[in-house]
Amino acid sequence: GQQLNQSPQSMFIQEGEDVSMNCTSSSIFNTWLWYKQDPGEGPVLLIALYKAGELTSNGRLTAQFGITRKDSFLNISASIPSDVGIYFCAGRNNQGGKLIFGQGTELSVKP
Amino acid sequence: KAGVTQTPRYLIKTRGQQVTLSCSPISGHRSVSWYQQTPGQGLQFLFEYFSETQRNKGNFPGRFSGRQFSNSRSEMNVSTLELGDSALYLCASSRRQGRYNEQFFGPGTRLTVL
Repeated sequence: GQQLNQSPQSMFIQEGEDVSMNCTSSSIFNTWLWYKQDPGEGPVLLIALYKAGELTSNGRLTAQFGITRKDSFLNISASIPSDVGIYFCAGRNNQGGKLIFGQGTELSVKP
Repeated sequence: KAGVTQTPRYLIKTRGQQVTLSCSPISGHRSVSWYQQTPGQGLQFLFEYFSETQRNKGNFPGRFSGRQFSNSRSEMNVSTLELGDSALYLCASSRRQGRYNEQFFGPGTRLTVL
């Protein structure tokens, strides 16, 4: 089946540093999404991307839909302690609402 | 506006039993999807319902089933539980299916099978 490769698996950074993570797919998607999940909670949608090349920001977060439609990246600038959590990419092709998720990037921020 | 609610939040069952999990979508949302989350496999799609009909299905055995009611609330059922069914089961709702109708997740039901 379709798989998304998300990297890195985990990151340990200092408060104030910038963070970058990415996802690659073996097939084309028409939608890329980025979610954040805190312990004991469900994923929360951060950014949605619908067009190849699209660059979208949400506060300190910026995400891009790759030109090939097979990849996406998420940047977090000037990280703060509350950025701690697991970040997931997710992609969707034309098959209804089914989302394919990456394995997640666990972010730890040291004050 | 209330978010997606799932009940119960925690559940402990033994092998061989069956379990029913419930999901109430955001008001006005008619599409409900279910996902299984485990440390080893990550988030895996189970099925999607829209207007009381299953529209999409993941690669799970027939022991996993679901349904949606006319008020868009959904239930999923797992019969003959196995140890490997221990997971966080997440429900997500959206207004409709497909593009531009993004899914909002509930807090999940943590199922432990002993």
